[in-house]
Amino acid sequence: DIQMTQSPSSLSASVGDRVTITCRASQSISIFLNWYQQKPGKAPKLLIYAASSLQSGVPSRFSGSGSGTDFTLTISSLQPEDFASYSCQQSHSTPLTFGGGTKVEIK
Amino acid sequence: QLQLQESGPGLVRPSETLSLTCTVSGGSISSSGYYWGWIRQPPGKGLEWIGSIYYSGSTYYNPSLKSRVTISVDTSKNQFSLKLSSVTAADTAVYYCARHMSSKGGDYWGQGTLVTVSS
Repeated sequence: DIQMTQSPSSLSASVGDRVTITCRASQSISIFLNWYQQKPGKAPKLLIYAASSLQSGVPSRFSGSGSGTDFTLTISSLQPEDFASYSCQQSHSTPLTFGGGTKVEIK
Repeated sequence: QLQLQESGPGLVRPSETLSLTCTVSGGSISSSGYYWGWIRQPPGKGLEWIGSIYYSGSTYYNPSLKSRVTISVDTSKNQFSLKLSSVTAADTAVYYCARHMSSKGGDYWGQGTLVTVSS
């Protein structure tokens, strides 16, 4: 199985801050990396697919980068509605696997 | 607008079989290129992919659960289903159904349903 490791597991930030979350795969996954946002009691929402492609309807302040084993999700200017948990997921091969998640909290 | 809705018992006894159905509306489960998957999330923990099915019936399971999982599709009802046998407390989780492509993440998800395994 491909292991996905996210860091940090949590962070505190203020509205307007630039936030970066990283995800590392245990082996190369090319660009088959997706990012999700999840709010309490809600289903995950796809933000980024194929490492850097913005899902339709997702604000442009969200961006993704990386390939191979190292990936980054960036929120350019954190908004109040962005306080949530974020998870990466590889879709290179089955079993599909997720990172442990990063909780973004209000400072 | 595509919608997915999970249904099934919220309480299952240990050693019994968990059965859930996902009903797809606003689109066809037989659409080419899309897979229909089950993902779960234990309380306070991360997401775990259980398995996926294509409308043709091809299935893909997580090896960690493969011996206990069956996913099936009923194209006439626009539904797909999950059966997980011999459940224990460790199977207590919110279970989600979702649509995804082979190399793209889940773009449509059900709201999730909490299944508790307890006597």
